[in-house]
Amino acid sequence: QSVLTQPPSASGTPGQRVTISCSGSSSNIGSNSVNWYHQLPGTAPKLLIYSNNQRPSGVPDRFSGSKSGTSASLAISGLQSEDEADYYCAAWDDSLNGHVVFGGGTKLTVL
Amino acid sequence: QVQLQESGPGLVKPSETLSLTCTVSGGSVSSSSYYWSWIRQPPGEGLEWIGYMSYSGSTNYNPSLKSRVTISVDTSKNQFSLKLSSVTAADTAVYYCARRPCTNGVCYFDYWGQGTLVTVSS
Repeated sequence: QSVLTQPPSASGTPGQRVTISCSGSSSNIGSNSVNWYHQLPGTAPKLLIYSNNQRPSGVPDRFSGSKSGTSASLAISGLQSEDEADYYCAAWDDSLNGHVVFGGGTKLTVL
Repeated sequence: QVQLQESGPGLVKPSETLSLTCTVSGGSVSSSSYYWSWIRQPPGEGLEWIGYMSYSGSTNYNPSLKSRVTISVDTSKNQFSLKLSSVTAADTAVYYCARRPCTNGVCYFDYWGQGTLVTVSS
């Protein structure tokens, strides 16, 4: 049972816009920034969004992040077949002396 | 370009200690503002943060693993290591090392190793 809650799956067709939600609590998302990672099968996760809505260099602007209260969202516009991957949200949790928590992951399928 | 590479046994017996090393190239483990981290992923499951050691030597561990985890840094070899004691089959996972920069309270994992599968079995 992950501390951050994500839908296990999401899907869309090429060109569509899809969003993935990440729900937490006051001790994590409510008081700290959210990061998003994506993971292609058999590879290590890669940073996609940091500090709620910042894109590292090289990440297309089709990817955007937002945060409101104790929830965050990742939006992917202009969906492409290569976007099919697992997506994870993460945040710092202030409880128990502080620790990093991840969402359970969302598998995105491009139909 | 920063690169991280995990190394260590791929098979560990139950009740023994899992030991992994992460070699860092293209950067220094002594650099300020970096937290050298371990993350694992059981087969078919999600990511679990194990812990980190900071550039200053402080550590922070996942509360659920804290009693069994030790992370250390060897600046002379530009490496950091993970030890997880009393392992069981539940510790079978791909183990990743990662760099976590923190600036003005903004922290994230920016570079990851490729991961190494550790199986716990007799």
